[in-house]
Amino acid sequence: EAQVTQNPRYLITVTGKKLTVTCSQNMNHEYMSWYRQDPGLGLRQIYYSMNVEVTDKGDVPEGYKVSRKEKRNFPLILESPSPNQTSLYFCASSLNGQGGYGYTFGSGTRLTVV
Amino acid sequence: GNSVTQMEGPVTLSEEAFLTINCTYTATGYPSLFWYVQYPGEGLQLLLKATKADDKGSNKGFEATYRKETTSFHLEKGSVQVSDSAVYFCALSVGDMRFGAGTRLTVKP
Repeated sequence: EAQVTQNPRYLITVTGKKLTVTCSQNMNHEYMSWYRQDPGLGLRQIYYSMNVEVTDKGDVPEGYKVSRKEKRNFPLILESPSPNQTSLYFCASSLNGQGGYGYTFGSGTRLTVV
Repeated sequence: GNSVTQMEGPVTLSEEAFLTINCTYTATGYPSLFWYVQYPGEGLQLLLKATKADDKGSNKGFEATYRKETTSFHLEKGSVQVSDSAVYFCALSVGDMRFGAGTRLTVKP
């Protein structure tokens, strides 16, 4: 089944403790992206990747890092999480970043930073 | 810049009512337009899309027409069901995807 898999689904952590949210897709998609969803703010893009070893900042990149060493994986790293990073996070992928293709989303990771 | 504005919710309808969720966009170039649906506890799913002016996207009884002259892509369904209760997002893409704020739809039996 074609899918984007995120882990974990739920995570509670403490301020300052480094964490990684994994994202993997099995569709050989070139384009991958991370979003955060907050009430009243919709989806905001954190980082995206057009292909292996090519990443770029989205609208809200502060406090996050990403890497794209393999085509299928695009982990999101929070080096020193803070409470304002409490949110619902989604990974998405697309055939390419040219615009005509829709995105396939993961099921989301609900992160709480205390 | 590129952006999408969709009608604020929440929207509450009775089963079998007609649904319209308005969406307008601002874009440079020629965007592709999308509607996504998010059911409770899940990620967004692509509902339908249109890639050029006058195209009509349709799926599961929902449809939307790409209107370049009014820069709109309104979502419609003739008869909603309780199972259509979800949050609906309009989006455009000229490269990366830009989402509207979402409209929550509740359908009551």
